[in-house]
Amino acid sequence: GAGVSQSPSNKVTEKGKDVELRCDPISGHTALYWYRQSLGQGLEFLIYFQGNSAPDKSGLPSDRFSAERTGGSVSTLTIQRTQQEDSAVYLCASSFGASGNEQFFGPGTRLTVL
Amino acid sequence: AQSVTQLDSHVSVSEGTPVLLRCNYSSSYSPSLFWYVQHPNKGLQLLLKYTSAATLVKGINGFEAEFKKSETSFHLTKPSAHMSDAAEYFCVVSDPSGGYNKLIFGAGTRLAVHP
Repeated sequence: GAGVSQSPSNKVTEKGKDVELRCDPISGHTALYWYRQSLGQGLEFLIYFQGNSAPDKSGLPSDRFSAERTGGSVSTLTIQRTQQEDSAVYLCASSFGASGNEQFFGPGTRLTVL
Repeated sequence: AQSVTQLDSHVSVSEGTPVLLRCNYSSSYSPSLFWYVQHPNKGLQLLLKYTSAATLVKGINGFEAEFKKSETSFHLTKPSAHMSDAAEYFCVVSDPSGGYNKLIFGAGTRLAVHP
């Protein structure tokens, strides 16, 4: 079956613009995670969804970052008023349940803020 | 708190020689540990995982890792490197304190394989 998909694969934007990144998890996976991979910070956890709720948003770096999930499926990560330090690869993962199950990763969205 | 330290940022080997990628962990719990691989412009792929069963864990593509509690280590090995093994490898520990499988990543080790 299909794996985790993310769109767009690449996004170039100007500083100050808003961007939306999309994640389609594997069908039936109730847990969804966003991570960020950047040169200076490595791979960082951003947010975790169980169904449509987000019990852990502790990794979101500022209030410019938000995420939602609808229908227990697709998730959107929104970055408002983008800054150059937001440039990174944003990775989405999903798992069947939350505890002890393998997380399957999407290919990521490479965001470049000029 | 959970953390992992990958002791080498870059490792270079010749094709056909053994691979050793080193990882030490810190965990307040009985840890779940993973190795993920990331090929250029590809997503992360799980190589293997340790979840308190056998201490020697076998993964895909001939990789294996040994959990050593006394040394707080989880080193990744492969007897004979192949050119296709060139990639970045991440040692990962799970933080279950939030009631779910939050992954804490090491900084990564870039493996180069030379002919």
